[in-house]
Amino acid sequence: AQSVTQLDSHVSVSEGTPVLLRCNYSSSYSPSLFWYVQHPNKGLQLLLKYTSAATLVKGINGFEAEFKKSETSFHLTKPSAHMSDAAEYFCVVSDLGGYQKVTFGTGTKLQVIP
Amino acid sequence: DAGVTQSPTHLIKTRGQQVTLRCSPKSGHDTVSWYQQALGQGPQFIFQYYEEEERQRGNFPDRFSGHQFPNYSSELNVNALLLGDSALYLCASSVADRVLTDTQYFGPGTRLTVL
Repeated sequence: AQSVTQLDSHVSVSEGTPVLLRCNYSSSYSPSLFWYVQHPNKGLQLLLKYTSAATLVKGINGFEAEFKKSETSFHLTKPSAHMSDAAEYFCVVSDLGGYQKVTFGTGTKLQVIP
Repeated sequence: DAGVTQSPTHLIKTRGQQVTLRCSPKSGHDTVSWYQQALGQGPQFIFQYYEEEERQRGNFPDRFSGHQFPNYSSELNVNALLLGDSALYLCASSVADRVLTDTQYFGPGTRLTVL
């Protein structure tokens, strides 16, 4: 069984300040973990993924995430928020037991204040 | 190279009707997954198709059915529509032989409204 918990439903940051979106996961197997972003009225776009290689994963648009097995966490960070980062972010887990069956978190809405 | 495409973009139906949504996967992809995203929620997995068969299924009733064609495109059918079926329906495609590591690419979705 697998599950994912996004600890914050809403996060608000000022433009130019760091972003931290928190995600904890549960998996019976060694999981793959993903972060997707969804802008209003647009499809889901992959930001980055972890697949048992380097624990620090760099993605697009300056985002990165660190896989911490001991904490079962996969938090998403960005050093400096941009107005265009305002969107909904989803943490996703997929494990070997599920043939690419993925489980989405409930999402974190990021607001960027000018 | 076209990504994942879905049709129609929007659809309005009434309770009790039936609906068919369509998805064309990204070129080179052979696996299609369908998700339901209710307003303000994360996508929920409906089912996945590979080699024209349903490979796995989420917690959705039998009113939800699907099909995959030899060209890997797929349809999602929903019978006896309920108000609660109103949602954004997302299609994602991927490559089957990269079971664990492959990325699912999502289409823009079909917005279904049931009145």
